[in-house]
Amino acid sequence: AQRVTQPEKLLSVFKGAPVELKCNYSYSGSPELFWYVQYSRQRLQLLLRHISRESIKGFTADLNKGETSFHLKKPFAQEEDSAMYYCALSGGAGGTSYGKLTFGQGTILTVHP
Amino acid sequence: EPEVTQTPSHQVTQMGQEVILRCVPISNHLYFYWYRQILGQKVEFLVSFYNNEISEKSEIFDDQFSVERPDGSNFTLKIRSTKLEDSAMYFCASSFRRDEQFFGPGTRLTVL
Repeated sequence: AQRVTQPEKLLSVFKGAPVELKCNYSYSGSPELFWYVQYSRQRLQLLLRHISRESIKGFTADLNKGETSFHLKKPFAQEEDSAMYYCALSGGAGGTSYGKLTFGQGTILTVHP
Repeated sequence: EPEVTQTPSHQVTQMGQEVILRCVPISNHLYFYWYRQILGQKVEFLVSFYNNEISEKSEIFDDQFSVERPDGSNFTLKIRSTKLEDSAMYFCASSFRRDEQFFGPGTRLTVL
C-alpha cells in the first residue's frame, strides 16, 4: 500500500529563515515523489519531482530511500512562498501504475515579514 | 499556456440526484484522472483513464461513479445517486506521460 505522511499541518517562519517541510512515504517498489503547491485561490501545481533533481523557486528536495523521506527545503524563505504544500507519490512511469498519486495531508506554510 | 478546465465551479444538489462534473483536459494529454478532497482531509485518488478505458480505480470509486470521454475532449465524472458524504472538491487532472499531472481548478460539490 502507498502512504505519504506530512507530520506538520502548519509551519510558520520569518522571511529569510530556512524552511523544511517534512515528507515520509511508504511504498514497496520504486516510487516517484513529487511536491505540489497550492497558492491562495489557485490550482494545485507541480513544484518539483525527485527525478528531475532540479531547484524550483529556490526549493530542493532529495529522495532518501534509507529514511523513506522526501523533505522539501529552502534556505531563505520569502513571503510569496506562503501556500499549501503537498507531498505526493506515484508508482513510477516504468511500473504498472498509471500515475495514480497518493497525497499527504498537506502543510500550510506561512512566511511572516 | 494550456490549462485543464472544469465546470461548474460549484454544484449544489439534493441527496439522491445524479450529477455530472465536467473537465476539459489539455489537448495532447493521454492520461486522465479524478481526485476528490473532502473538507479538511487529504486529496484522494478516485480513478485514472487511459486509451478510452478505466486503468485504475480506488475503493471510493464504486458503482455509483462512472467516467466517460464522450467526444475526445471532455472528460466527465458522473455520480448516479449522490450521498451527503459525496460533498467534496473534485479535481480533474491530465498528463501526457504517467508523470507530471496538471490539475484543474476543481468543482465544489455540495450535497444537501
